[in-house]
Amino acid sequence: SSELTQDPAVSVALGQTVRITCQGDSLRSHYATWYQQKPGQAPVVVIYGKNKRPSGTPDRFSGSSSGNTASLTITGAQAEDEADYYCNSRDSSGNHLRVFGGGTKLTVL
Amino acid sequence: EVQLVQSGAQVKKPGESLKISCEGSGYSFTIYWIGWVRQMPGKGLEWMGIIYPGDSDTRYSPSFEGQVTISADKSISTAYLQWSSLKASDTAMYYCVRPSPVTTAPDIWGLGTMVTVSS
Repeated sequence: SSELTQDPAVSVALGQTVRITCQGDSLRSHYATWYQQKPGQAPVVVIYGKNKRPSGTPDRFSGSSSGNTASLTITGAQAEDEADYYCNSRDSSGNHLRVFGGGTKLTVL
Repeated sequence: EVQLVQSGAQVKKPGESLKISCEGSGYSFTIYWIGWVRQMPGKGLEWMGIIYPGDSDTRYSPSFEGQVTISADKSISTAYLQWSSLKASDTAMYYCVRPSPVTTAPDIWGLGTMVTVSS
């Protein structure tokens, strides 16, 4: 199996830019998908593929990747962006399995 | 509208068995994989395993192999997650998910089934 590593917590001042990172060997060959989860809700996709946003995701969210690190950037963070963020990628077994990062709690100050 | 509708919350005692369900609607159930994700209280998301309802091909993440059974009944567009003997550590929210055929990442999520195991 694979592992994806995220910082447990990140904070950002209202209106500023924040980057949430995800590291793992599988990211060298597979894109990460990023999820936002608010308390009491199911996760929702905010970024997938090569920096693609589902309809409904604000354009202040963007994704990038370099080597074994995927990043989710929020440019001009809003209060409603405070949530847990998870990265997800294919498992290295190539067995239709996936793996999640441990999650990052984003606090908007 | 594509939906995954999960069965309701369950409260069980240690040692009891349980089977929770996930009904797919709004799409052809047999040609999309269905996965299960665990979220223990206050913790992160964990990928448990996945099934292809068309032929019941099932894959488990190593941590969950032998601990749970994933199955599906394509005649009623329903996937299942079951335990033969619950433990307190099985207390969690369980989500069924449908991976995107393009990215294979889950893009459709059920609302979750909360399972509480307590004596």
